[in-house]
Amino acid sequence: AQSVTQPDIHITVSEGASLELRCNYSYGATPYLFWYVQSPGQGLQLLLKYFSGDTLVQGIKGFEAEFKRSQSSFNLRKPSVHWSDAAEYFCAVGAYAGGTSYGKLTFGQGTILTVHP
Amino acid sequence: EAGVVQSPRYKIIEKKQPVAFWCNPISGHNTLYWYLQNLGQGPELLIRYENEEAVDDSQLPKDRFSAERLKGVDSTLKIQPAELGDSAVYLCASSSSSGSTYEQYFGPGTRLTVT
Repeated sequence: AQSVTQPDIHITVSEGASLELRCNYSYGATPYLFWYVQSPGQGLQLLLKYFSGDTLVQGIKGFEAEFKRSQSSFNLRKPSVHWSDAAEYFCAVGAYAGGTSYGKLTFGQGTILTVHP
Repeated sequence: EAGVVQSPRYKIIEKKQPVAFWCNPISGHNTLYWYLQNLGQGPELLIRYENEEAVDDSQLPKDRFSAERLKGVDSTLKIQPAELGDSAVYLCASSSSSGSTYEQYFGPGTRLTVT
């Protein structure tokens, strides 16, 4: 069974500083990896995804993530954080369920990002 | 394009009462998911539908939870009777098996409080 670990429960950064959120996964096959963001009272919004190919993927809102198979990691980065980035971030791995469906997503516990002015 | 719609957004009930949540997926999305999100945790899959068929309900507590997806479009998740531990956010998501998007689109969720 797949699993996802987000080691940092809460991260605080200053506005304009760089950001890296860590994600480690466990999955027996080629993973489908995702980062979602959730603002208070809102649903999850997809930031970016990795299926295959280039291991550095670009997403929305200036985020990027790098897939490192040797480290079983998929860390999320942003060079300069904005106050509006304050939210909770979830890493997820998808299980292939045949055809074009990846079945279910297994999420990490989430990392809460606080941005100081 | 309209997103995933869920109602109600908030629900407060007393324990042992029944409750139902409704989800309308994105038009044309044949796969529908219900997730449970406890406070401070990531969402966990309860049930997945391919059209009207429940293809993965292994995590659904079937003694008190039930779900249906009539005609392969809207879906309802029911709890009867509710327990204090059911207080959580219930998220609905949908995806399309056509093309190669592989993306699940989430609704805003229903926050349930059981008193």
